[in-house]
Amino acid sequence: RKEVEQDPGPFNVPEGATVAFNCTYSNSASQSFFWYRQDCRKEPKLLMSVYSSGNEDGRFTAQLNRASQYISLLIRDSKLSDSATYLCVVNTGGFKTIFGAGTRLFVKA
Amino acid sequence: DGGITQSPKYLFRKEGQNVTLSCEQNLNHDAMYWYRQDPGQGLRLIYYSQIVNDFQKGDIAEGYSVSREKKESFPLTVTSAQKNPTAFYLCASNVRYRGLEDEQFFGPGTRLTVL
Repeated sequence: RKEVEQDPGPFNVPEGATVAFNCTYSNSASQSFFWYRQDCRKEPKLLMSVYSSGNEDGRFTAQLNRASQYISLLIRDSKLSDSATYLCVVNTGGFKTIFGAGTRLFVKA
Repeated sequence: DGGITQSPKYLFRKEGQNVTLSCEQNLNHDAMYWYRQDPGQGLRLIYYSQIVNDFQKGDIAEGYSVSREKKESFPLTVTSAQKNPTAFYLCASNVRYRGLEDEQFFGPGTRLTVL
């Protein structure tokens, strides 16, 4: 079992749609959680940190369920510019950061 | 502007050659990392360094070497012992806050192709 697993994708959605990504992690001692966005042939960039209480940033909402060991990212009112690969990232402590393989999103007009 | 720079952006290497990828940061971060990304896969950790003159192997260190002589610099050498070096190489840095990992900041990457 991979340490961090994401929906394989790709997700193809029309503009304005709501899309949700899920991510599961295997190490119950994991401490920090993030969602990164990676555009084609570019470096990953932080989209959101994920907190136990859940957090929202505009059209993006991230949630963490420690009991079930999963993280989610919800994107509302999708824009063409949201097309990218979304990486689930988990830190298990001691400089051990695990990146998921990513879920590709295509938003179409 | 603070950030991480990597050079070169594209690098072509003949089989049997060693090449060195540059990574420089002016964010005053203590920790620096090297990752490798292959198509359709997540990032895999090659080496990391928590402080100057100290570094640790990651999950796929074989065929690679690093040095950390200055806080700002963390060069990666891809040796001829690396069997399949063609990949996208990403350098990152971060800080730890209250014992937890803060976000990692990435450089723009170096795309290495072995001819």
